[in-house]
Amino acid sequence: DTGVSQDPRHKITKRGQNVTFRCDPISEHNRLYWYRQTLGQGPEFLTYFQNEAQLEKSRLLSDRFSAERPKGSFSTLEIQRTEQGDSAMYLCASSSGGYTFGSGTRLTVV
Amino acid sequence: AQRVTQPEKLLSVFKGAPVELKCNYSYSGSPELFWYVQYSRQRLQLLLRHISRESIKGFTADLNKGETSFHLKKPFAQEEDSAMYYCALRDTGTASKLTFGTGTRLQVTL
Repeated sequence: DTGVSQDPRHKITKRGQNVTFRCDPISEHNRLYWYRQTLGQGPEFLTYFQNEAQLEKSRLLSDRFSAERPKGSFSTLEIQRTEQGDSAMYLCASSSGGYTFGSGTRLTVV
Repeated sequence: AQRVTQPEKLLSVFKGAPVELKCNYSYSGSPELFWYVQYSRQRLQLLLRHISRESIKGFTADLNKGETSFHLKKPFAQEEDSAMYYCALRDTGTASKLTFGTGTRLQVTL
């Protein structure tokens, strides 16, 4: 296990398109988090899964955003009808106590 | 609402000089505080946590509840300390989510 993996590393998309990101956590971690980081800011919490259950969502997560963790393993984050304001680094982290972060997916909406 | 403040965006010091990265927080409960570091082209990683009271890479941080601060200190800066440093607070709710400050870039020059 090499830690938390995120795919893709970079994504450029046109405004209005849908995008989906994937996160593979550390296998024995039952908690999975998505964060978003914009330029000059620290990461901001988006949503949290305990196993397959999505237990908390930030108000930052508009209805264009949806996250799943169908079998309690990998997770996907989908953004529909992307807007330029969605451009950011999307970070995934898993935890069984301490956090381990992935390298992130950098989204650019043009 | 919980909040983490890092007042300096950039701190530039000479090699061998002391370093202090400031962090203040607001939280109604009993906080759990962390310092995360991100070296160039690497993922965010945990540097230290207040409950462990340890020194990592020569860095220490003491939680001062009276001043609501958790400043990061190192007596003698090294070139390899140049990185982005984020202070973070973990809430005691179900999600145990992190609230990050905006980060301070530490630049150590010869």
